[in-house]
Amino acid sequence: DAGVIQSPRHEVTEMGQEVTLRCKPISGHNSLFWYRQTMMRGLELLIYFNNNVPIDDSGMPEDRFSAKMPNASFSTLKIQPSEPRDSAVYFCASSSQVSNSPLHFGNGTRLTVT
Amino acid sequence: AQSVTQLDSQVPVFEEAPVELRCNYSSSVSVYLFWYVQYPNQGLQLLLKYLSGSTLVESINGFEAEFNKSQTSFHLRKPSVHISDTAEYFCAVSEWGGSEKLVFGKGTKLTVNP
Repeated sequence: DAGVIQSPRHEVTEMGQEVTLRCKPISGHNSLFWYRQTMMRGLELLIYFNNNVPIDDSGMPEDRFSAKMPNASFSTLKIQPSEPRDSAVYFCASSSQVSNSPLHFGNGTRLTVT
Repeated sequence: AQSVTQLDSQVPVFEEAPVELRCNYSSSVSVYLFWYVQYPNQGLQLLLKYLSGSTLVESINGFEAEFNKSQTSFHLRKPSVHISDTAEYFCAVSEWGGSEKLVFGKGTKLTVNP
């Protein structure tokens, strides 16, 4: 089991540029989550999917953020245009589709927008 | 909606001392409770969970947590900590029979000093 795989591990970009973060969940997991972690706000849920369908995107901060899950083994989180305040660590996590199943997290993507 | 409060943002202790990391939650329905641990530059990992049954749950590395419904608490304890326990610890809650959406506390950074 390779675990949840995120890429890239680090991303440095200039304000205004488009950023795409990628995630491969654990095979067989039906649910996928995108979280953002900052010192000020802690761990925030941005969006989650069940069976590739977005269920709750109420945590997506603005229209500049979008997420897709075209199939069960791949998801992207896109920021366009990026701003310095988007700098954070973005985590992807996956789980089985039951409320007591633990989340399995990737190692995160550290995004720095200058 | 659920919420989680971790009262201490940082807890410094000496090696072999006991430690307690506090967690209180708020919810209008019954919940599942979790503790996750995050080591530097890594994603979160499940430490232990309370689903039902015995209110005292244990992890494989000596941590334990007790669910107290009347006090809506799920404090994490270890009788004797090691340097390797230095990490950030997150308490989380999800609803019984609800979505698998986890709500996290802001985390407690545990630093074990020699």
